[in-house]
Amino acid sequence: AQKVTQAQTEISVVEKEDVTLDCVYETRDTTYYLFWYKQPPSGELVFLIRRNSFDEQNEISGRYSWNFQKSTSSFNFTITASQVVDSAVYFCALSGYKLSFGAGTTVTVRA
Amino acid sequence: DTGVSQDPRHKITKRGQNVTFRCDPISEHNRLYWYRQTLGQGPEFLTYFQNEAQLEKSRLLSDRFSAERPKGSFSTLEIQRTEQGDSAMYLCASSDPDSVSGANVLTFGAGSRLTVL
Repeated sequence: AQKVTQAQTEISVVEKEDVTLDCVYETRDTTYYLFWYKQPPSGELVFLIRRNSFDEQNEISGRYSWNFQKSTSSFNFTITASQVVDSAVYFCALSGYKLSFGAGTTVTVRA
Repeated sequence: DTGVSQDPRHKITKRGQNVTFRCDPISEHNRLYWYRQTLGQGPEFLTYFQNEAQLEKSRLLSDRFSAERPKGSFSTLEIQRTEQGDSAMYLCASSDPDSVSGANVLTFGAGSRLTVL
């Protein structure tokens, strides 16, 4: 069975602070994909990033960066220089053909 | 293309009534998924279609739930004899199958929120 755990329920920061979201996963698959989705107050889940299990290289895309560590089964996500528009619920998810989502972390960015 | 559309956005019904939700996926996507999301939780998989074929149903999908995708285009999710426990957001998503299993990026609709009184 696959499982995704997001231990942080809520995070509140002041604008321009960095925010790091933790994600720990469990899977027996040797090949898998990890995702981060954002759900703003409008309700529509928006895809942010995808990573496959073969590539542990950490990357930066604009203000987003991620840290994938297979040895600890973690896939953490960082928003640099947060903005009010980043306020949303962020979900970590694990493939296969259907996604298994964590419970989400609510991020509030205060002006 | 305007993305994945869901209708209605909100539905309030009395216990025991039937409700139906509709999802229009992105036109070139041949996979369509239904998820359910309750307050404070992440989405949970219900079922998915490849074209018109329903390939899997979650154990969460009781006999009161039925989903169809005639002609492989739009999909409907019907809940019969609704119960208060059915209150949730019902999310539809679509994807283009990736050549690598599990790599699909799902595009979600805004959801249909069901409240059963």
